[in-house]
Parts: sequence; structure tokens; C-alpha cells
Amino acid sequence: EIVMTQSPLSLRVTPGEPASISCRSSQSLLHSDGNNYLDWYLQRPGQSPQVLIYLGSNRASGVPDRFSGSGSGTDFTLKISRVEAEDVGVYYCMQALQTMYTFGQGTKLEIK
Amino acid sequence: QVQLQASGPELVQPSETLSLTCTVSGDSISNNYWSWIRQPAGKGLEWIGRISTGGVTNDNPSLKSRVSLSLDTSKNRFSLRLTSVTAADTAVYFCVRNLLPDTNGAFDIWSLGTMVTVSS
Repeated sequence: EIVMTQSPLSLRVTPGEPASISCRSSQSLLHSDGNNYLDWYLQRPGQSPQVLIYLGSNRASGVPDRFSGSGSGTDFTLKISRVEAEDVGVYYCMQALQTMYTFGQGTKLEIK
Repeated sequence: QVQLQASGPELVQPSETLSLTCTVSGDSISNNYWSWIRQPAGKGLEWIGRISTGGVTNDNPSLKSRVSLSLDTSKNRFSLRLTSVTAADTAVYFCVRNLLPDTNGAFDIWSLGTMVTVSS
């Protein structure tokens, strides 16, 4: 099982300021096809999760360009360039390299 | 527009079997893979298992072979059965479209969660 570790577990951000979440995997997520099998999901309060980033750095359909993903191998980062009120919720990284999909613990983002 | 709707009993007796069904609209279950994911109250996400278009299944080893997944192509739906449930299986359950390859997020479409409580 690939263990996913996120940090921080919570952060409070002023609207308009940037935010960054780190995700580390216990094994490399770099596939022989050159892709990193790492997705990011956001679960807003009371809602189902939604995909933000797939394959490490690709924004999913309809996701604002203030969200970006980077990293390779075992270390990944989700960045929000300018946080907005609608960005509150819990962010999860997830490895999709192995069929035994595993998620990070989640990072709760709140607005100051 | 693809939509998934999970349904099933909200209350299950300990040691009994939890059964949920996910009805898919806007897509054929023969076109993709489908997964179940759950979330205990206030906790994170746990992948339960996946079923392919051909009925091949994979499940989370931590659930110790209690998982059974099936497809009903005539009704465009798929189902989860979890046997010998305990209070630890109390959670919100999501059914999810599982894209392979990952072309827009491995889990691009989610149902609303359905709360299942295991209690006598």
C-alpha cells in the first residue's frame, strides 16, 4: 500500500493571498509512461469531492487557473495563487498508480 | 451530463450485509470503470473497490474480502455488498466513475454521499 502524507493538515489564508499544500508518497508515483499518477481533490463543506488536478499537474475540466499542481516522484504540491472564499474545504491528494487507491489525510483550508 | 445516484438502507444491523446500488445516467456502465469510496464522519476518504466493464473487480485488502461488486447492464447500475458489518463500517458512501486511463482525474464524477449507519 502506498502511504500518502499531506502537510499542513490545516491552514488559514487571507483572501487574495496564496496557499500551498504538500503531499508526499511512500513510493514513487512516476510511471514508465512518464506520468505521475497523483490527483488532487477538493471537498467543500457538505459536498462530494471534486477533482482539481490529475496526473500531477493537469487541471481538470472547469477548474480555475489559480489552481496548479507540480512535483514528481514522491513529492507534490498544490498551489492556489490567490485564495477565494469558495476555496474553503478539505483538500486531498490521492495516488492512482496502484489500483489500491490511497488518499492523504486531508488539509483543511479556512479563510481568515 | 453524467450523474450517479447511490441508494440503499440507511441502517444496517451489526454482522449483517450492507447493500448499496449506484444508478448511472448520461453514460453507459459498459464504457468505464466504477468505484465505491467511503468516509466516516469527520474523517478522510477510503477506497473500497472497483469493477470494470467486464466485471473484473479489485477491492481494498483492509476490508478482508468482505466486499462484493456487481454490474447490472440492463438497468445501467452497479452495486456494492459489504458483509459482516460492524460499527467501523458506519460512513458516508460514494459511488464514483473511475476513468482509466486517468484523463480527467481517476475519479471524475461522484455521487452525493449516502449515509449508512451500522447499529442495532
